Amino acid sequence: DTGVSQDPRHKITKRGQNVTFRCDPISEHNRLYWYRQTLGQGPEFLTYFQNEAQLEKSRLLSDRFSAERPKGSFSTLEIQRTEQGDSAMYLCASSLTEGAGDTQYFGPGTRLTVL
Amino acid sequence: AQSVTQLDSQVPVFEEAPVELRCNYSSSVSVYLFWYVQYPNQGLQLLLKYLSGSTLVKGINGFEAEFNKSQTSFHLRKPSVHISDTAEYFCAVSPTSWGKLQFGAGTQVVVTP
Repeated sequence: DTGVSQDPRHKITKRGQNVTFRCDPISEHNRLYWYRQTLGQGPEFLTYFQNEAQLEKSRLLSDRFSAERPKGSFSTLEIQRTEQGDSAMYLCASSLTEGAGDTQYFGPGTRLTVL
Repeated sequence: AQSVTQLDSQVPVFEEAPVELRCNYSSSVSVYLFWYVQYPNQGLQLLLKYLSGSTLVKGINGFEAEFNKSQTSFHLRKPSVHISDTAEYFCAVSPTSWGKLQFGAGTQVVVTP
């Protein structure tokens, strides 16, 4: 068990560029979540996968955001035409379904800065 | 819909003193309750969670929390803090149907000698 990993850890981009983040969950974890955390706030839910199926998306996830989890393993989060308001820490978490209330294990996050 | 309020944004505390972090929630459905800790430059780590049963929940690193349904609270306590407890603490709720977490804004705990 190597934990949840995220790549890159930091990303600086110019406004209007596209960025893609990767999350590798703990092996065999079937649930995967993306959250966004801005300075001074708690993480906010973005989207959730069970295996390869994306089951819920937050209204925070505008059309510029897309997430995938091909084959139910790693996941990618892409932001198109980035805006300064997208600057935040993007967190990935995974869990193994034990029924409701399963523990989510978080990665270290990807910090995005949009100039 | 659920909401979580952490009543203190920052709590300064001396080493070996007790600490209590307050969390209130509102929800129209049954929820599960969690406390996570975020150390500087690290990911969120689960301290403890309440699913059902005893309202006093013990977690890692000497932390415990008490679920109070009538007051819709889930306060976190530690009887004696260490310098290493300096971190940000997040209370979170999750509806019982599946695992999305809704977090409070966090409480920064600063432990000084």
